[in-house]
Amino acid sequence: QVQLQQSGPGLVKPSQTLSLTCVISGDSVSSAAWNWIRQSPSRGLEWLGRTYYRSKWYNDYAVSVKSRITINPDTSKNQFSLQLNSVTPEDTAVYYCARGWLGAGFNYWGQGTLVTVSS
Amino acid sequence: QSALTQPPSASGSPGQSVTMSCTGTSSDVGGYNSVSWYQQHPGKAPKLMIYEVSKRPSGVPDRFSGSKSDNTASLTVSGLQAEDEADYYCSSYAGSNNLVFGGGTKLTVL
Repeated sequence: QVQLQQSGPGLVKPSQTLSLTCVISGDSVSSAAWNWIRQSPSRGLEWLGRTYYRSKWYNDYAVSVKSRITINPDTSKNQFSLQLNSVTPEDTAVYYCARGWLGAGFNYWGQGTLVTVSS
Repeated sequence: QSALTQPPSASGSPGQSVTMSCTGTSSDVGGYNSVSWYQQHPGKAPKLMIYEVSKRPSGVPDRFSGSKSDNTASLTVSGLQAEDEADYYCSSYAGSNNLVFGGGTKLTVL
């Protein structure tokens, strides 16, 4: 059974970097697409980006955050991470990691992390 | 504002059927057979209920079914049960390695 366990701070100051990690059990970070999605009352559900391995590592990012986001796999720890730079209060949301391909749905999700951007 | 349009609410009595819609454009819903539906209970992560318009993941009851016509996708829940009360979200591949979601429909079981 695939399980995703998220970790990271729940409070980030404006202009700083939001960092979250998603540890994978029951699967390999090299075997599927791994995504970050966030949810807020103002923006609803929003796909942020993904990483996946097909002979080499690929990343795709949503246009809305493309200039500020990095998603990195870590094969040694079987996990992947999210970094979102220069955050503002608009980035306050529950952040989820999830497994799945864009056209085929996300069938496993992390537990969610509420990240508040505030000074 | 979400890219896909869903009615904010829907309701039905136990045992009845309810259908929820998800309207997009020819660039997303109408252009790909890549619509998914998620069920979300309060405080929980979304759960995949339907993928690729009408396929059910293992473990999802066959009371849940999906379809699509032109730019509108639909999720039907038959034989409504109390535990079906939740928020339901649709998503669609939108080309160029992009994904869009709907704003969600709150399903109430009367």
